[in-house]
Amino acid sequence: GESVGLHLPTLSVQEGDNSIINCAYSNSASDYFIWYKQESGKGPQFIIDIRSNMDKRQGQRVTVLLNKTVKHLSLQIAATQPGDSAVYFCASRVRGSGNTPLVFGKGTRLSVIA
Amino acid sequence: GAVVSQHPSRVICKSGTSVKIECRSLDFQATTMFWYRQFPKQSLMLMATSNEGSKATYEQGVEKDKFLINHASLTLSTLTVTSAHPEDSSFYICSARDQGTGGPNQPQHFGDGTRLSIL
Repeated sequence: GESVGLHLPTLSVQEGDNSIINCAYSNSASDYFIWYKQESGKGPQFIIDIRSNMDKRQGQRVTVLLNKTVKHLSLQIAATQPGDSAVYFCASRVRGSGNTPLVFGKGTRLSVIA
Repeated sequence: GAVVSQHPSRVICKSGTSVKIECRSLDFQATTMFWYRQFPKQSLMLMATSNEGSKATYEQGVEKDKFLINHASLTLSTLTVTSAHPEDSSFYICSARDQGTGGPNQPQHFGDGTRLSIL
């Protein structure tokens, strides 16, 4: 079955530094990936997504890299700010209809040190 | 952007009570909504897929008679936790995808969750 996991459960970074959060997935049939940010007591908030026909996608201060060969993706946050402190989840969807749900990884807590 | 509204945000009730949680897509129609459960410091676990006008699809290990799902319209799904007990205390989160734009690979948008505490 599909499983999505993370290499680092916690990450502390200095304000202004770049953050890199990693994620591994197991199902080679996964073709769509999303990173979410979850603050305490709230639902996940969409950050960025990437389709399997891409290796890299950039947003505002964030970049997602996808390596399908080793089934790995990462989220890079540039110039990390205190407001970036949260739990970050990767999620993936197996190729199929639009009703296929996302499978979530375990999450990484990012703590930004001011 | 797409907004999913969930209500109530917090419920505290006695054991044996049934609790209904509503999930609405505010600016789009969702033929499919998803219900997740999240325990402290853990990830989101899919409970069921809610389909408008038909029965929900439950994940293995989720009791369908315990967690009743109704998706009566294209903008509303409800989850009812029947005869809730302390072990049902958790953070319940709904999600929907705006399938009307851009095809199947669209992000799921999440509500802000319902914190359920059973005494």
